[in-house]
Amino acid sequence: GDSVTQMEGPVTLSEEAFLTINCTYTATGYPSLFWYVQYPGEGLQLLLKATKADDKGSNKGFEATYRKETTSFHLEKGSVQVSDSAVYFCALSEGTSYDKVIFGPGTSLSVIP
Amino acid sequence: GAVVSQHPSRVICKSGTSVKIECRSLDFQATTMFWYRQFPKQSLMLMATSNEGSKATYEQGVEKDKFLINHASLTLSTLTVTSAHPEDSSFYICSARDSRLAGNEQFFGPGTRLTVL
Repeated sequence: GDSVTQMEGPVTLSEEAFLTINCTYTATGYPSLFWYVQYPGEGLQLLLKATKADDKGSNKGFEATYRKETTSFHLEKGSVQVSDSAVYFCALSEGTSYDKVIFGPGTSLSVIP
Repeated sequence: GAVVSQHPSRVICKSGTSVKIECRSLDFQATTMFWYRQFPKQSLMLMATSNEGSKATYEQGVEKDKFLINHASLTLSTLTVTSAHPEDSSFYICSARDSRLAGNEQFFGPGTRLTVL
């Protein structure tokens, strides 16, 4: 079945460091891909998404490019801030039917001043 | 837009009691609502999917008599944990979407932390 794999955390970075969180997926069709962020004690917020190959999703300085050839959707940010400390979930949904969202295990990010 | 609320945000109850959690879509009609469970430091696991006016569809391994879901209107779904036990303690998150709109993703609520003593 479909699945999502993320790099294991926790990840600790200094402020203004470059961030990469790796995400790869397995899917039978052509999924839409998402990154969600969860701040401590809160629910999930959609950070960015991409619906087809080579699409780049971007928001709040974060970017991820849908790479069909490597089945990847790595999250990057050029300069992290303390306020970016959160858990990041990579996820997929088959096609444009968003009824079945499969989440990766999550990667915890801590940014220290 | 696309705001989903949950109530309560935290609840503590005694073992054997039932707890009801509400999920509301505040500014859109949610034809479909989803209930997830999240254990500490783990990912979200889908428990059930409910379409307005229909019975919920439960994922494998989720007891439908234990986790009662009602989705009686386009803006409200409820999850009732019946005869709660300490192992039911978890973070419950709902999400909602309008399935009639193409490309409309799920919008998530802030979650409810349930602690069963």
